[in-house]
Amino acid sequence: KAGVTQTPRYLIKTRGQQVTLSCSPISGHRSVSWYQQTPGQGLQFLFEYFSETQRNKGNFPGRFSGRQFSNSRSEMNVSTLELGDSALYLCASSPSSGRDTDTQYFGPGTRLTVL
Amino acid sequence: DAKTTQPPSMDCAEGRAANLPCNHSTISGNEYVYWYRQIHSQGPQYIIHGLKNNETNEMASLIITEDRKSSTLILPHATLRDTAVYYCIVRVAGNEKLTFGTGTRLTIIP
Repeated sequence: KAGVTQTPRYLIKTRGQQVTLSCSPISGHRSVSWYQQTPGQGLQFLFEYFSETQRNKGNFPGRFSGRQFSNSRSEMNVSTLELGDSALYLCASSPSSGRDTDTQYFGPGTRLTVL
Repeated sequence: DAKTTQPPSMDCAEGRAANLPCNHSTISGNEYVYWYRQIHSQGPQYIIHGLKNNETNEMASLIITEDRKSSTLILPHATLRDTAVYYCIVRVAGNEKLTFGTGTRLTIIP
């Protein structure tokens, strides 16, 4: 089975722009979670989508949003980019949502640099 | 979320067993302990998880104390490729959210 894929792998944007990142989960996985990793804050949970619905949300401003499509693929969007949004954005998928024995598998991440 | 405490760094000689401790004294009865590792700038890699029994897979063994307040991840024969940051996570029941701490930076010494 192919793993979680994320596109693009690298992205450079300028302040004020917006960006859309894409995640394709492992085949058959229906839950997709997004995380942000920065040197200062570490790995932080952004949100989780299951069956096209946001199930859980972390403590991030409304500039960060996401969605999930019927084929379980997910996108996240960051509007009005700030320098502090420079980070590695990671996507993880799991077969379902909230089942404690289901394991989340992470993609390679998208490295976003905001200039 | 139950907090985990891990040593910030550890060294281990190549070929020896690496034992990584984790303290999770506030864990609840239905919360699982998960271990992930992250090799520089890659996505975290799942290693193993457990509830109360010891677990073993092809990568590692997980030993959970009887009171469940701590656990140890064991890499039986460490190689240079095991150099990574290892995260111990207590997963809140019924929740996909993983709360990552600062982890343990494990360095395998040739």
